[in-house]
Amino acid sequence: QKEVEQNSGPLSVPEGAIASLNCTYSDRGSQSFFWYRQYSGKSPELIMFIYSNGDKEDGRFTAQLNKASQYVSLLIRDSQPSDSATYLCAVRGYGQNFVFGPGTRLSVLP
Amino acid sequence: DADVTQTPRNRITKTGKRIMLECSQTKGHDRMYWYRQDPGLGLRLIYYSFDVKDINKGEISDGYSVSRQAQAKFSLSLESAIPNQTALYFCATSDPAEGLPQHFGDGTRLSIL
Repeated sequence: QKEVEQNSGPLSVPEGAIASLNCTYSDRGSQSFFWYRQYSGKSPELIMFIYSNGDKEDGRFTAQLNKASQYVSLLIRDSQPSDSATYLCAVRGYGQNFVFGPGTRLSVLP
Repeated sequence: DADVTQTPRNRITKTGKRIMLECSQTKGHDRMYWYRQDPGLGLRLIYYSFDVKDINKGEISDGYSVSRQAQAKFSLSLESAIPNQTALYFCATSDPAEGLPQHFGDGTRLSIL
C-alpha cells in the first residue's frame, strides 16, 4: 500500500512567521508532488506542484522536494490568518496512481 | 455558475437505501473522479473515468458503482447504503495535460443513519 503521511496538527504559528508543513511518502517511484489547500467546509484547491529535487517558489509559497529522503515540504512565508486551512499533500506515481495524505491543519494566530 | 456541480449538497438517509450522487461539469474535461473524505484519512479515490467508455476502480470501490452518462456527467451510486459510508464526497475533473484532479465540486455531505 503506497502511503503518504502528514502530521495532522494543528500547527499553530503567529502571523508573519514561516509555517513549515511536511509530508513523507513510501513509494520511491513517485514522480510528482502536489500541495492542496482546503478551507473548512470547502473543496481542495491546488496551490503548488513540484517534480524535481530542490525548491520551487511561488509568491509566499515554497515547495521543497528531497526524493532521496522521500519527503516534500511546503513553506509559507509571512503567514496570514487567511492561510489558516488544512493542507493536503498528494503524490503521483507511475500511471494514474495518485495518493493524498490526511492533511495538516494550519492555524495562523493574529 | 460553478464549473463542477454536485447534487445534492447534503443528504441524510437510512441504512439500506439506494442513493445517487450526481456530478456535472462545464469544463469540457474528459477525466472525472469521485473521492470520499473522512476525518484523518484525507481524500480516497472511489472511481475514475478517462472518457465515457473508460471507467476504473479506485482504492475503495467496494459498495459503490458509477455511471458516465456523457462527457459532462459522472454519477456515483450506493446500492445499499451503510453507516460507514457516511462521509464527504467530492467529484473532480482534469484534462490529460493536467494529469491530476484539479477542479473539484463543492462536495456532498452524506449521512447514513
